[in-house]
Amino acid sequence: DVVLTQTPPTLSATIGQSVSISCRSSQSLLHSNGNTYLHWLLQRPGQSPQLLIYLVSRLESGVPNRFSGSGSGTDFTLKISGVEAEDLGVYYCVQGTHAPPWTFGGGTKLELK
Amino acid sequence: EVQILETGGGLVKPGGSLRLSCATSGFNFNDYFMNWVRQAPGKGLEWVAQIRNKNYNYATYYAESLEGRVTISRDDSKSSVYLQVSSLRAEDTAIYYCTRKWYFDYWGQGVMVTVSS
Repeated sequence: DVVLTQTPPTLSATIGQSVSISCRSSQSLLHSNGNTYLHWLLQRPGQSPQLLIYLVSRLESGVPNRFSGSGSGTDFTLKISGVEAEDLGVYYCVQGTHAPPWTFGGGTKLELK
Repeated sequence: EVQILETGGGLVKPGGSLRLSCATSGFNFNDYFMNWVRQAPGKGLEWVAQIRNKNYNYATYYAESLEGRVTISRDDSKSSVYLQVSSLRAEDTAIYYCTRKWYFDYWGQGVMVTVSS
């Protein structure tokens, strides 16, 4: 199975600061059809996960454009340009290129400094 | 508005069985793949099962850790998906989420399953 390694496990930020989260895959996530099935989710405290970005860089409808995704192959990054209080929670990357199974990263907890 | 609501959780003894239900509305259920994802207390997310739509012959896929103990099914007439879990173990204790599509775009609020004697 594909292993996704997220770093850092915990991230402390101030409001307005820009931060990045890394997701590294044990195998290339480029599918033979040309798509890369790497997505990002946010789980706020006490809530269900919500989709932020799919297919590496496509912003889900309704998600603020301070969120952006980039990367290719085995290395991917989620960037938040100007953290807001509502962004606190745990971020997960998930891959579908080598599914089943769909596998999730271990999560990165974003907290206030 | 897309709505997803899981029910059927609770306290179950080890070795017992449970059937989780996921009722949906606000979208054409027939068109979508549906998944179950679980989260053990204080832990990360784990994909459990997927069922595809009629166009894909309702194909099903399962996490290896649960294969043989879980069955996912759907009733398009009720816009609902189900997860039958048997031979429950303490490590199956988790919140079970129902989530839509191949990239998990909508999630329910989850249902707690506790396996304990």
